Amino acid sequence: EVQLVESGGGLVQPGGSLRLSCAVSGFTVSSYWMHWVRQAPGKGLVWVSRINSDGSSTSYADSVKGRFTISRDNAKNTLYLQMNSLRAEDTAVYYCARGLHSYGFGDRNDYWGQGTLVTVSS
Amino acid sequence: DIQMTQSPSSLSASVGDRVTITCRASQSISGYLNWYQQKPGKAPKLLIYVASSLQSGVPSRFSGSGSGTDFSLTISSLQPEDFATYYCQQSYSNSLTFGGGTKVEIK
Repeated sequence: EVQLVESGGGLVQPGGSLRLSCAVSGFTVSSYWMHWVRQAPGKGLVWVSRINSDGSSTSYADSVKGRFTISRDNAKNTLYLQMNSLRAEDTAVYYCARGLHSYGFGDRNDYWGQGTLVTVSS
Repeated sequence: DIQMTQSPSSLSASVGDRVTITCRASQSISGYLNWYQQKPGKAPKLLIYVASSLQSGVPSRFSGSGSGTDFSLTISSLQPEDFATYYCQQSYSNSLTFGGGTKVEIK
């Protein structure tokens, strides 16, 4: 059974840092593209970042570029999101999602975690 | 970034109604358009990918169409479990983007 479990969320002050983790089971993280998506309270989905299957390529939304870093640890079958210089507007539930990426089909997210809440406030 | 605009932002419908949600891209995205359903407090669920392909396990009352800049999601006969928020997502560019969402409520 495919499972994704996020952790690492919590309350952090503006300007602070946090690292989110996404432990996966039922598949090998190194075989898939992986994504982070966030959702502010009562708002819509916002794509944050993705990493390709071999870790050689990453992409970020403009709103987090230069502040967030996506990475993976294949040995631990875990995806990470390092978040620095956090702002109030980064407050959201952060979801990790498995990506299916193929020529002619683009990207799609077929499995999602339950999300972890990040609150940026003084 | 490619902007995705959904309409309407919300709608009220009855069980058995045919419902159509539209999604417009700010530039051509070919057919690289996905649709998701999200219920309160839950993670999104993939319904449709590359505009019209039905994800495994999704009921056939859901269908998608479109290409270029204009896309639509249709629910042929709305069921009680379909009341939720629906999002489109483009994967044409390296920076993916979602539409703002359409909330389908009970009339």
